[in-house]
Amino acid sequence: AQKVTQAQTEISVVEKEDVTLDCVYETRDTTYYLFWYKQPPSGELVFLIRRNSFDEQNEISGRYSWNFQKSTSSFNFTITASQVVDSAVYFCALSGMNTGFQKLVFGTGTRLLVSP
Amino acid sequence: NAGVTQTPKFQVLKTGQSMTLQCAQDMNHEYMSWYRQDPGMGLRLIHYSVGAGITDQGEVPNGYNVSRSTTEDFPLRLLSAAPSQTSVYFCASSKLAGGTGELFFGEGSRLTVL
Repeated sequence: AQKVTQAQTEISVVEKEDVTLDCVYETRDTTYYLFWYKQPPSGELVFLIRRNSFDEQNEISGRYSWNFQKSTSSFNFTITASQVVDSAVYFCALSGMNTGFQKLVFGTGTRLLVSP
Repeated sequence: NAGVTQTPKFQVLKTGQSMTLQCAQDMNHEYMSWYRQDPGMGLRLIHYSVGAGITDQGEVPNGYNVSRSTTEDFPLRLLSAAPSQTSVYFCASSKLAGGTGELFFGEGSRLTVL
């Protein structure tokens, strides 16, 4: 079975602080994909990043960075110099070869509150 | 470019009533899916479709039916609504298989069953 755990239910930071959102996954597949999605207060879901299991390189996109470590089954998301607009619920998700990559399993999400 | 359009955005039903949540996409995506979002539970896959005429069950399919007669449309039917189906429903589509590429989500439909 596949599982995604986001142990941090809610995180509160002050603007300009750095913050890391944790994501731990479980899968028996050797080939799988990991994702992060953002859900701002308006409610829509926005794709942030996709990573496949063969690419462990860290990725940076502006103030966002992702650290993928197969050894610890983690795919953590860091926001540098957070801003109020980063306030949202962030979801980590996983799909694996055993379902033909047709089913995406989401974590329960981490609510990030960035105050001015 | 409208993307993924869901209707209605809000709906209140009584227990036992039936209804259909509509979902349409104009991106010519083969893959479409329905998720429900409940507090503290993230998003859970209800049903998905990899193309017209092909549907399959997700994690929580009980109480829901789907069909896919065209590439564009993927309606979700509640045959006899129950309070446990009170939730926010999201339709999503993808150019690739649902778990390999970016999912494009609709704005969501908030359903309350009394």
